[in-house]
Amino acid sequence: GAVVSQHPSWVICKSGTSVKIECRSLDFQATTMFWYRQFPKQSLMLMATSNEGSKATYEQGVEKDKFLINHASLTLSTLTVTSAHPEDSSFYICSAREATSTDTQYFGPGTRLTVL
Amino acid sequence: RKEVEQDPGPFNVPEGATVAFNCTYSNSASQSFFWYRQDCRKEPKLLMSVYSSGNEDGRFTAQLNRASQYISLLIRDSKLSDSATYLCVVNMEGGSEKLVFGKGTKLTVNP
Repeated sequence: GAVVSQHPSWVICKSGTSVKIECRSLDFQATTMFWYRQFPKQSLMLMATSNEGSKATYEQGVEKDKFLINHASLTLSTLTVTSAHPEDSSFYICSAREATSTDTQYFGPGTRLTVL
Repeated sequence: RKEVEQDPGPFNVPEGATVAFNCTYSNSASQSFFWYRQDCRKEPKLLMSVYSSGNEDGRFTAQLNRASQYISLLIRDSKLSDSATYLCVVNMEGGSEKLVFGKGTKLTVNP
């Protein structure tokens, strides 16, 4: 099946710093990538939908200036958590939809962010 | 009403047992339905799509009732490796790519 990678797999940072997370589709082109966040014992919540070459679409309640998304190529999307605070500590997961597919999303292994 | 609602669980069953999970969704226009499994601290992995006529994949059977907006997953002859959290996932809007995840039901299969 299609493979999606994320980097880093975990990160610990100080409050106020910015953290960049990369999501790559390794063996297919992804016109659309999705960014989710999952807090402990909670469901995955979609943060934003990222389309290659255009601005991301953010879900209600997600600050676009805090969570910067760049989808510069068909295989790479990045999420930057700016001025991270402890409440941003979470499991961030990306998924990618293959250009030729309608429904199937392939998930990356996730990035666990801890902000001290 | 939550968009996707699942049994709260957790379910603890012995090996070999049959276990069923239920899920309801709020948007009658939803077009696509899935069951994912998520192991602890890992990403969700697609278990199976759910089709209107119901479908089976080995020990797993999924059913969809559009009239009741209800989805189910049945696991027969459960194995220790089935221990995971099972997520009900719905594409809430026809033609949309947006997936909405249920909170998940945790299953532990005991020896």
